[in-house]
Amino acid sequence: AQKITQTQPGMFVQEKEAVTLDCTYDTSDPSYGLFWYKQPSSGEMIFLIYQGSYDQQNATEGRYSLNFQKARKSANLVISASQLGDSAMYFCAMREGEKLVFGKGTKLTVNP
Amino acid sequence: GAVVSQHPSWVICKSGTSVKIECRSLDFQATTMFWYRQFPKQSLMLMATSNEGSKATYEQGVEKDKFLINHASLTLSTLTVTSAHPEDSSFYICSAGNSPGTKYEQYFGPGTRLTVT
Repeated sequence: AQKITQTQPGMFVQEKEAVTLDCTYDTSDPSYGLFWYKQPSSGEMIFLIYQGSYDQQNATEGRYSLNFQKARKSANLVISASQLGDSAMYFCAMREGEKLVFGKGTKLTVNP
Repeated sequence: GAVVSQHPSWVICKSGTSVKIECRSLDFQATTMFWYRQFPKQSLMLMATSNEGSKATYEQGVEKDKFLINHASLTLSTLTVTSAHPEDSSFYICSAGNSPGTKYEQYFGPGTRLTVT
């Protein structure tokens, strides 16, 4: 069974608008961490944001925020004021033991 | 922030030869390093977990005799693709573990693009 599910293979957004990338996860461990990474065409994995399972508040990092709904097991990434440079693949990941398990990714295209 | 380097960034080799990829943590000591493989338009798949001074732990389906991993020091892990074949062509990414339970759990290297002809 998939541990991390990203149901949107591709998303389009207009420059300066906000976009939400979906991620649901599956775990029975009460302690876990959720991550979002950006991968531009160069291939490097860029850390964006982290949410711990015990964190009381939703994580925010600049234009990135994580909409963490624990009961629904969802950890959606919200990018505000999209920029052309945000066009990339976005991966949601969950810590499982010492490993990271990745979703299949969402390709985001920001249109001018 | 912590930096992880990989060398080479890209390599082309002939079928049947071996290729070594280095992963270095430049400004911190990493007791654990991870090796991933990513095929075009797919996600990262963990190949193995490498702990300094001990044998690597391979994921199911990954041939340990084909993908040799050595973690000789706290700052260096190497992946050797032995007797490479065209199907081994892929993007290989390493990461170095830092502080478990925090957002800085894994720092990723820039990746190595391997093409086997």
